[in-house]
Amino acid sequence: GAGVSQSPSNKVTEKGKDVELRCDPISGHTALYWYRQSLGQGLEFLIYFQGNSAPDKSGLPSDRFSAERTGGSVSTLTIQRTQQEDSAVYLCASSFSSGINTGELFFGEGSRLTVL
Amino acid sequence: DAKTTQPPSMDCAEGRAANLPCNHSTISGNEYVYWYRQIHSQGPQYIIHGLKNNETNEMASLIITEDRKSSTLILPHATLRDTAVYYCIVRFSSGSARQLTFGSGTQLTVLP
Repeated sequence: GAGVSQSPSNKVTEKGKDVELRCDPISGHTALYWYRQSLGQGLEFLIYFQGNSAPDKSGLPSDRFSAERTGGSVSTLTIQRTQQEDSAVYLCASSFSSGINTGELFFGEGSRLTVL
Repeated sequence: DAKTTQPPSMDCAEGRAANLPCNHSTISGNEYVYWYRQIHSQGPQYIIHGLKNNETNEMASLIITEDRKSSTLILPHATLRDTAVYYCIVRFSSGSARQLTFGSGTQLTVLP
């Protein structure tokens, strides 16, 4: 499709389980971002990938969170041993890596994670 | 990146212009002003950005003061579907990608 695609759209899991969230960015966008948004809160930056450079992981809240991006395209955000406070909407965005439009991020619809 | 200040909420009558202010008094010369909005239960949507000149696109107009310390996003004829949280973001350099920092934004409610 033409937009950023995320899956699953909804995920309910039990505390302690691992989850994987997937993001398929817009073709040609080499920058990819993960944010999360807890209920009624603003967006919290998690991690961003730019081309083949080392990712900026400065926003990851703990070592239970990790992300990878294979082949410069699809990204997977993994949360190990989920906790109830991990419940949030996880948003992925992509953009161009250089040029004047790098601040124009295209967001997906998000993956809503509920940890019981 | 410079900090921004926005009112937490605003109302606007349907069909009227919505003027959303943003203060960014510590902005530096090569920082751009970006506006995004987030409609309930959706991902944020890019609206417009500018450096120092006023900008207009099919969604909105961006008016930046001459000293660049504040800006106003204008939705010329607000509709009910424009009800959303509007984020003003100041971002250092558009030359290379980096994270955007979203603040609390302004909840705009368009009233029928």
